[in-house]
Amino acid sequence: KNQVEQSPQSLIILEGKNCTLQCNYTVSPFSNLRWYKQDTGRGPVSLTIMTFSENTKSNGRYTATLDADTKQSSLHITASQLSDSASYICVVGRNSGGGADGLTFGKGTHLIIQP
Amino acid sequence: IAGITQAPTSQILAAGRRMTLRCTQDMRHNAMYWYRQDLGLGLRLIHYSNTAGTTGKGEVPDGYSVSRANTDDFPLTLASAVPSQTSVYFCASSSQGLTDTQYFGPGTRLTVL
Repeated sequence: KNQVEQSPQSLIILEGKNCTLQCNYTVSPFSNLRWYKQDTGRGPVSLTIMTFSENTKSNGRYTATLDADTKQSSLHITASQLSDSASYICVVGRNSGGGADGLTFGKGTHLIIQP
Repeated sequence: IAGITQAPTSQILAAGRRMTLRCTQDMRHNAMYWYRQDLGLGLRLIHYSNTAGTTGKGEVPDGYSVSRANTDDFPLTLASAVPSQTSVYFCASSSQGLTDTQYFGPGTRLTVL
């Protein structure tokens, strides 16, 4: 069964600190892995997309890594800011002949940045 | 450029009533999607459309229908709402399909009593 597991479920850190969110998946055949940020009451916003050949991708203070062999990804946030408080969702795309049903969503990590 | 708009923002609906959630995008994206998001379950795909004139079923399609008469609009209809359809509904679009960035709308919060 295609699954995406994220950890931790929730995390509280102090402003200015770094943190790392984890994503493990069993989706096959693998196509791509995405990280989204979802602010409370808003739709998800894409942070990064990585394909099989990419093992790291950055977007400002966000750096995603991918290990396709172990089927793991991480999202590292550097020098956290209050605006980073949000849910972070890992999404894995499966080669399904181009159909949109090929995306499997994780349940997200709820991150709270405290001043 | 507005991106993706959804209407209404929120709605309270009596069970058994018919309801259409509207979604419009101005990015000329080929693919559009409807998701529902429930606490503890994450986003789940209801229906999708890879291009105007075609639609497909997602993970949780029962009780919902969609149409894609043109590129910009992708309405979601609940023919006879039930309380289990209480959720936050997100519309999304992408340029082509699976490997492209999805852009999400602001969501519609629906409560069925």
